[in-house]
Amino acid sequence: DAKTTQPTSMDCAEGRAANLPCNHSTISGNEYVYWYRQIHSQGPQYIIHGLKNNETNEMASLIITEDRKSSTLILPHATLRDTAVYYCIVRVSITGTASKLTFGTGTRLQVTL
Amino acid sequence: EPEVTQTPSHQVTQMGQEVILRCVPISNHLYFYWYRQILGQKVEFLVSFYNNEISEKSEIFDDQFSVERPDGSNFTLKIRSTKLEDSAMYFCASSVRGNTEAFFGQGTRLTVV
Repeated sequence: DAKTTQPTSMDCAEGRAANLPCNHSTISGNEYVYWYRQIHSQGPQYIIHGLKNNETNEMASLIITEDRKSSTLILPHATLRDTAVYYCIVRVSITGTASKLTFGTGTRLQVTL
Repeated sequence: EPEVTQTPSHQVTQMGQEVILRCVPISNHLYFYWYRQILGQKVEFLVSFYNNEISEKSEIFDDQFSVERPDGSNFTLKIRSTKLEDSAMYFCASSVRGNTEAFFGQGTRLTVV
């Protein structure tokens, strides 16, 4: 799986948008970009994923650059409950095979009042 | 909302003892995974399981580890002879297909003394 690079930590004021960047310059054509988060020591929580188009769901938006070498996860209105470690993961997608997730160290997002 | 459930939430065991960690994946999911996280470290992949056999395993998953789906609902991880370094959070995950998003349980904290 391609390696990803994320900032170690970020701060965001409550109510503001949190923009979390991720570089994945060696991504391959059959690899998706996944975002998970981990609140304290709980199980990782799936947020969103995409291949090349921008994606949005009830939790977040994912913006992937045209060359697919980087992406940004956007939490539109961060709350204190969004304080967590956010993982950007590039994952191969082949129909019929179990594809593991390779976690890095992620970005520790601290949402403040 | 369906979720992956893990029991127990915390288990303390003596070194050399066998432990079985239990997981109930989401009911229509076909792919199952175990991950672990040693305190302060990354989430690490252990094993993936599909169609009653191991699909992939990491170097961590040595002969001391085994997985089983004993019935239609449970997925278990057995450690035959625990070592101090097996102390970690163990997370079970499941997905509908191998290349779709995986959902994680809340984990079992294993403490080996």
